[in-house]
Amino acid sequence: QLQLQESGPGLVKPSETLSLTCTVSGGSIISTSHYWGWIRQPPGKGLEWIGHVYSSGSTSYNPSLRSRATMSVDTFKNDHSLKLNSVTAADTAVYFCVRGYRSNGGVDYWGQGSLVTVSS
Amino acid sequence: QSALTQPASVSGSPGQSITISCTGTSSDIGAYKYVCWYQQHPDKAPKLLIYEVSNRPSGVSNRFSGSKSGNTASLTISGLQAEDEADYYCSSYTTSDTWVFGGGTKLTVL
Repeated sequence: QLQLQESGPGLVKPSETLSLTCTVSGGSIISTSHYWGWIRQPPGKGLEWIGHVYSSGSTSYNPSLRSRATMSVDTFKNDHSLKLNSVTAADTAVYFCVRGYRSNGGVDYWGQGSLVTVSS
Repeated sequence: QSALTQPASVSGSPGQSITISCTGTSSDIGAYKYVCWYQQHPDKAPKLLIYEVSNRPSGVSNRFSGSKSGNTASLTISGLQAEDEADYYCSSYTTSDTWVFGGGTKLTVL
């Protein structure tokens, strides 16, 4: 059974960089059939697609976050990561790491979510 | 990219059917068959209900069905049950090689 687990600081100061890692267990991150992504949800609000990365390293980002977001894959550690720089309070959210099908985009596996608060 | 438009809330009685709409543009819903629907219970990760407009993953009840016409996709839940009370989100692939979500719809089972 595939499992995804987010890890990283729960508190980040404004203007600094948010860094999260998603550890994949129960399966390989190397896959031509899937992508690996990040979705966030501010408290009490809806879902927002941040972006996704393929095991080849190719990426795609939400246009509204493209200038601040960087995603990468580490096939040796079997994990992928998100960095979001110049954060503000508006970046406070639960961050989910996910796996989706390349052929249809459906996200079939989600991490439990990691709450990141941006505050001084 | 703008979020897809969903009604903020819908409600129905047990046994009834409800439909949730999701309106986009010719750059997302209207451009592809790649529309998904997710169910999210409080403090839980979302669950995939529908992919490619109308396909259900293994294990998802056939009470959930999806369709699309033009720039609008729809999720229908038939035979409403108390456990269906949750938030529902649509998503669509876009011409920018990204995904966009709807704002979410809160379903209340009366």
